[in-house]
Amino acid sequence: DAMVIQNPRYQVTQFGKPVTLSCSQTLNHNVMYWYQQKSSQAPKLLFHYYDKDFNNEADTPDNFQSRRPNTSFCFLDIRSPGLGDAAMYLCATRPGTRETQYFGPGTRLLVL
Amino acid sequence: SQQGEEDPQALSIQEGENATMNCSYKTSINNLQWYRQNSGRGLVHLILIRSNEREKHSGRLRVTLDTSKKSSSLLITASRAADTASYFCATEGTGTYKYIFGTGTRLKVLA
Repeated sequence: DAMVIQNPRYQVTQFGKPVTLSCSQTLNHNVMYWYQQKSSQAPKLLFHYYDKDFNNEADTPDNFQSRRPNTSFCFLDIRSPGLGDAAMYLCATRPGTRETQYFGPGTRLLVL
Repeated sequence: SQQGEEDPQALSIQEGENATMNCSYKTSINNLQWYRQNSGRGLVHLILIRSNEREKHSGRLRVTLDTSKKSSSLLITASRAADTASYFCATEGTGTYKYIFGTGTRLKVLA
């Protein structure tokens, strides 16, 4: 059974057109993460939540926002996508510190 | 930056040989994980090793951790063509809830 679900799996958007990626989890984990992974590169942490506490990485562009309305769901909003934002976006969860992260399958974003 | 570095960046071996990948990091950690990623796919968790552990095994995988040198290694024994993938280490810094990924090693196992 899927534990971390990301929708959609593929997303095509136009330059400058806002887009929202979603992540849901059935694990009731406290911590949720969003990573960006570009081709042939390592995943790069954008932000994470511990419960409702939001933590933004210092180098995450202002163009990227996130919402976590409840424990199960987390959203990544890209306000004005540029060509450089085309990437795989990975969501992950974990119950707390010192534990394993569980990743979703990712959403591949294409910006035209 | 906490990001780890892995070496080699790329590794090509024959089926049946062992593959060793190394990860170095910069700050003190709670634990370290190794992941596998097939091309265009998601990340698969392999092993988590805590800062008070020195070695862990899982099937053909062996992970070591040397906190004094801030380094870890992943050994895959008797490699198979299906082991062809990118391998990443990820570290959780002390006092944080976040995992930061290393640069990755691209492993190619030739049949």
